[in-house]
Amino acid sequence: EVHLVESGGGLVQPGGSLRLSCAASGFTFSDFWMSWVRQAPGRGLEWVANIKEDGSAKTYVDSVRGRFTISRDNSKNSVYLQMNSLRAEDTAVYYCASDRPTGSYDRWGQGTLVTVSS
Amino acid sequence: EIVMTQSPDSLAVSLGERATINCKSSQSVFHSPINKNLLAWYQQKPGQPPKLLIYWASTRESGVPDRFSGSGSGTDFTLTISSLQAEDVAVYYCQHYLGTVTFGQGTKVEIK
Repeated sequence: EVHLVESGGGLVQPGGSLRLSCAASGFTFSDFWMSWVRQAPGRGLEWVANIKEDGSAKTYVDSVRGRFTISRDNSKNSVYLQMNSLRAEDTAVYYCASDRPTGSYDRWGQGTLVTVSS
Repeated sequence: EIVMTQSPDSLAVSLGERATINCKSSQSVFHSPINKNLLAWYQQKPGQPPKLLIYWASTRESGVPDRFSGSGSGTDFTLTISSLQAEDVAVYYCQHYLGTVTFGQGTKVEIK
């Protein structure tokens, strides 16, 4: 059975940092691009970043470029999101998801909540 | 960046009736190397992650009831629920995957 389990969320002050992790199981992790998607409270879905199977390519939404870094460790079946210079508007549930070649996401974690507040 | 605009923002439909959600992209999401529109639809219920319903604009994901269907090409797409069931109450999102990824703002479907 496929599982994606996010961790690392919590309360952080504006300007602070947080590192999210996503542990994958039940599929060949190294065969898939992976993404982070976030959802602010009561709002819609916003794609944040994705990373190629071997980590050689990464793409970011404009609002986080230069502040967030996506990475992966295929030996640990894990993808990460390092978030620096956090702002109140980064407050959201952060989901990891696996990218299918069809350009869609069929596997999602349950999400981890990040709250940026003083 | 491709902008995805859904309409309406919300709709109320009687049980057993048809629900139609539209999604318009600011640029074509047709990916010529594979001859497919990179457009997906998701259903999200409160407290849950999104669930994939449709990919390639019209291909139903395995296990999704056949009352859900997708259509369209290029910049204009539609998700149709042919006979609304109580369990279909949710927010529905379209999403493209051409270059970067963008979701529509969502359409809330309720029972009238």
